[in-house]
This record gives sequence, C-alpha cells and structure tokens, in this order.
Amino acid sequence: KAGVTQTPRYLIKTRGQQVTLSCSPISGHRSVSWYQQTPGQGLQFLFEYFSETQRNKGNFPGRFSGRQFSNSRSEMNVSTLELGDSALYLCASSLRQGAYNEQFFGPGTRLTVL
Amino acid sequence: ILNVEQSPQSLHVQEGDSTNFTCSFPSSNFYALHWYRWETAKSPEALFVMTLNGDEKKKGRISATLNTKEGYSYLYIKGSQPEDSATYLCALNFGNEKLTFGTGTRLTIIP
Repeated sequence: KAGVTQTPRYLIKTRGQQVTLSCSPISGHRSVSWYQQTPGQGLQFLFEYFSETQRNKGNFPGRFSGRQFSNSRSEMNVSTLELGDSALYLCASSLRQGAYNEQFFGPGTRLTVL
Repeated sequence: ILNVEQSPQSLHVQEGDSTNFTCSFPSSNFYALHWYRWETAKSPEALFVMTLNGDEKKKGRISATLNTKEGYSYLYIKGSQPEDSATYLCALNFGNEKLTFGTGTRLTIIP
C-alpha cells in the first residue's frame, strides 16, 4: 500500500509570491491534516479536511488556505509569501476522524522563501 | 495554549544501553497521546497511541507508559541500536484531528 505522498519535495519562492503544495493520502483515507515545522517551533497544526470540508483550523493567518478534492487529495496554498513562511510542510492522513486514529505522515515539502 | 514539554532535548546513548525520555503536559483534558519516531529525511512514523486508561504499550524493544494524574508519559528503549537514532515526538489529541506536538527528543546512538 503506497504511503502519503507530497509534491513537490522542495520549492524556492520569493517574497510576495504564492505557492501551492499537494498531498495524496493513503488510498481509502478520508482525513488529511497539514502541519508546519519551523526551527525551534515544533510541528504546528494548520488545518484538517474531511470529506472535502475543512473541519479544524489552527492559528494561522488567512494567507494559508487549503482544499480537498473528492478523491481525498488535498492542496495547501500560501499567498503573499513572507520570509517566515520558510518551513517544512507535512501532511498526514488517517482513515477517519477521531482522537485515537493513527495519522500517517508524508515526507514533507521544504519551502524556502527568499 | 497548552505546552507539551519533552525532555531532554537531545540525548546520546551508547549502543546496547537502555534509555528513556519524558513527555509532560499540564492538563489531562485530552483524549489520546501519540508517540512518533522521526528519522532524518523520512516521514514521522507512529509508534503508539496511548489512551487515558493508562495502559503500557510495547513494540519490540520500545515501550511507553502514561500517567495522567502526574501529567507525563515515558518512552523507554531497551538495548539501544543505531537504527533507533531519530527524533521522538509526543503529541496530544483533544478529540479532533489536531495534534499538539512537543518539540521532540533527538536521540543519537553511539556505536
């Protein structure tokens, strides 16, 4: 069974640009969550989608948005990039929603903003 | 904002030795505690999901305990091997898909 895949793996953008990251969950998984990791901050929750609807949202500005398609694939968009958006972005999928469900992570997209 | 603390931040352990590290939290108002292992250049891998009934979980040489009354979880590794080198993360789940992570313990096994 294929794991969670994320594309692209690496990305370099300049301030003010926008970027779209993609996440393909494990087949059959319907919940996709996104996390940001910056040095010293640990993994911070961005948002979660289930059945094409955003169900949970973290404490990030509106420049961060996402969506989920009918095949459960998800995209995350960051508009008007800032230097501080340079980070590793991870997505995770789980079979369904619930506190006890194991979340499976992808390898991440490393975004560098110059 | 709930702080999930992990200690120590980093640890060097001789191959063959056993080790443990801590995840502490100020409140037991959560549904589950997750442990992950994150090797460099790989994806975080789930180790255990701990529920509030306080079970000990075990997978091979690795085990975990949860003490909700005192506000901590321990992860133990018995007979450390080089492949155990990784960052170990704990995360709390408060009933939805959001995981609140600690900053991790970076473990290095010295051959």
